[in-house]
Amino acid sequence: GQQVMQIPQYQHVQEGEDFTTYCNSSTTLSNIQWYKQRPGGHPVFLIQLVKSGEVKKQKRLTFQFGEAKKNSSLHITATQTTDVGTYFCAGPTSGTYKYIFGTGTRLKVLA
Amino acid sequence: DAGITQSPRYKITETGRQVTLMCHQTWSHSYMFWYRQDLGHGLRLIYYSAAADITDKGEVPDGYVVSRSKTENFPLTLESATRSQTSVYFCASSGGGLNETFFGPGTRLTVL
Repeated sequence: GQQVMQIPQYQHVQEGEDFTTYCNSSTTLSNIQWYKQRPGGHPVFLIQLVKSGEVKKQKRLTFQFGEAKKNSSLHITATQTTDVGTYFCAGPTSGTYKYIFGTGTRLKVLA
Repeated sequence: DAGITQSPRYKITETGRQVTLMCHQTWSHSYMFWYRQDLGHGLRLIYYSAAADITDKGEVPDGYVVSRSKTENFPLTLESATRSQTSVYFCASSGGGLNETFFGPGTRLTVL
């Protein structure tokens, strides 16, 4: 079945450093979503990418969807302690609305 | 209040007992989902529903039953709980299309 992997699994950064997480799907995706989950909380939707090669920015966060629509990345510039949490990507199983989540990247930011 | 709610928020049960986790959303979203979250496994889809009376299996459906007689409710039942079902369960809903998915606060279930 469809698999969605993320790397790295964990990342510790010093506050102010940049951070990137990568998402790779075993199948081509019609779209990809990104979520953030704070410790002890629930996943919260960040953004959705639909077009091949699409790049979207939200303040310090930059999201990119690969040309082949099988991979995506989230880049955070100058991390802050408020960026702490686990970042997940999710893509739908072909022809359905069943979103399969990636394994997640847990980010810790050291002040 | 508008939103998506889950109950109970915490539950402790014993092996072999039947447990039902409730999920309610007030947006009239067509799609609803149940995920479980375990350390090292991220979020795994158990079941999803595209509309009332339409449900489909996800990645890990064994040992679970769902129903959706009303659009706003999507209960998840563990017919005979096992220790491996100890987890945090998240319900979610979406309007479909390119709309975002909203997650409930989660239910932490412990099976002894």
